Amino acid sequence: QQQVKQSPQSLIVQKGGISIINCAYENTAFDYFPWYQQFPGKGPALLIAIRPDVSEKKEGRFTISFNKSAKQFSLHIMDSQPGDSATYFCAASMAGSTLGRLYFGRGTQLTVWP
Amino acid sequence: NAGVTQTPKFQVLKTGQSMTLQCAQDMNHEYMSWYRQDPGMGLRLIHYSVGAGITDQGEVPNGYNVSRSTTEDFPLRLLSAAPSQTSVYFCASSPRTTRGDEQYFGPGTRLTVT
Repeated sequence: QQQVKQSPQSLIVQKGGISIINCAYENTAFDYFPWYQQFPGKGPALLIAIRPDVSEKKEGRFTISFNKSAKQFSLHIMDSQPGDSATYFCAASMAGSTLGRLYFGRGTQLTVWP
Repeated sequence: NAGVTQTPKFQVLKTGQSMTLQCAQDMNHEYMSWYRQDPGMGLRLIHYSVGAGITDQGEVPNGYNVSRSTTEDFPLRLLSAAPSQTSVYFCASSPRTTRGDEQYFGPGTRLTVT
């Protein structure tokens, strides 16, 4: 059972456009929601993360929007650039005995055309 | 700091052969994990460990064994390789605090089973 559902599977955006990737979860015990970025041939790396006590977090061109009541969160990439072309994974984790374990979405392959 | 290191980078096995994928981290992280990445399936957790001497199964543990005798090392053993185990394998570690922590991924091992 997929704990975190991610969409779309792939996304093509023109340079300068806005890329939006959505994720949804069911387990209300999740309390940490990171996004990872992966370039071809590399391991994933943390891009940005949010905790549910805030509804938005912005770092440069990357913004996470979080809707606790809807159990959804999304990544917005403003002014998308060809260098942003990568696979993006949302994830969630919770405190407790499994602290540290991340539940990943299936990923979104983003292509930004110049 | 070398971060998370994995060896080998590439490996070809014949069906039925066994091997160990090595993973080491020099950041004194409590949490370590192994993922496999297949097209369209995202990152699937194989096994994880919340500290030396403690391991647990993830989503897809069948055909794999792990042990954690030290904080630094977390090897993944394939007992009898099958073509279905052809994949890219990533090891990751994190400090496991209550704040929500970045997982640091290794560069991956690309395994082909013929």
